[in-house]
Amino acid sequence: GAVVSQHPSRVICKSGTSVKIECRSLDFQATTMFWYRQFPKQSLMLMATSNEGSKATYEQGVEKDKFLINHASLTLSTLTVTSAHPEDSSFYICSARAAGQGYNTEAFFGQGTRLTVV
Amino acid sequence: KQEVTQIPAALSVPEGENLVLNCSFTDSAIYNLQWFRQDPGKGLTSLLLIQSSQREQTSGRLNASLDKSSGRSTLYIAASQPGDSATYLCAVPNYGQNFVFGPGTRLSVLP
Repeated sequence: GAVVSQHPSRVICKSGTSVKIECRSLDFQATTMFWYRQFPKQSLMLMATSNEGSKATYEQGVEKDKFLINHASLTLSTLTVTSAHPEDSSFYICSARAAGQGYNTEAFFGQGTRLTVV
Repeated sequence: KQEVTQIPAALSVPEGENLVLNCSFTDSAIYNLQWFRQDPGKGLTSLLLIQSSQREQTSGRLNASLDKSSGRSTLYIAASQPGDSATYLCAVPNYGQNFVFGPGTRLSVLP
């Protein structure tokens, strides 16, 4: 099946620094990728939709200036957590569908990134 | 707005039991429903994708059923094993193609 690779899988950073998370579709092109966040013992919540070649769409309550998303190619989307604070510590996971595929096709998820801000 | 719920929230059973995990969604106009497994601290593993036109899908010891009109899906796990211990999530695609996830069922299968 299609593979989505997410890197890094785990990162610890100091408060106030920025962290970049990469999401790559390895064997298919994805015009749209999605970024989710999961707090402990909670389910995944959509943060933003990343669109290749255009601005990302953010969900209500998600600060676009804090969570910078860049989708510069059909196989790569990046999420940068700027000026990270301990409350940003969470599990971040991306997903993608192949370009041109509709709602009835399977979506694929990255392995997730565990961010800890100290 | 689509909302997905799952019951039970947690389940602990002895090895060998057959299990039923339940998922409900409020908007029945779905294209499909997907069941995932998540191990602690890990990403998602897709288990079954069931299309809106289907009533069930099977993969090994797993069987997912879908009753779109009543907004329900069930995941059956036959002859449970300790290796099945994980959190099971159901999700339905939103109009924006993203997923709306349920809160999950934390399953523990005891040897």
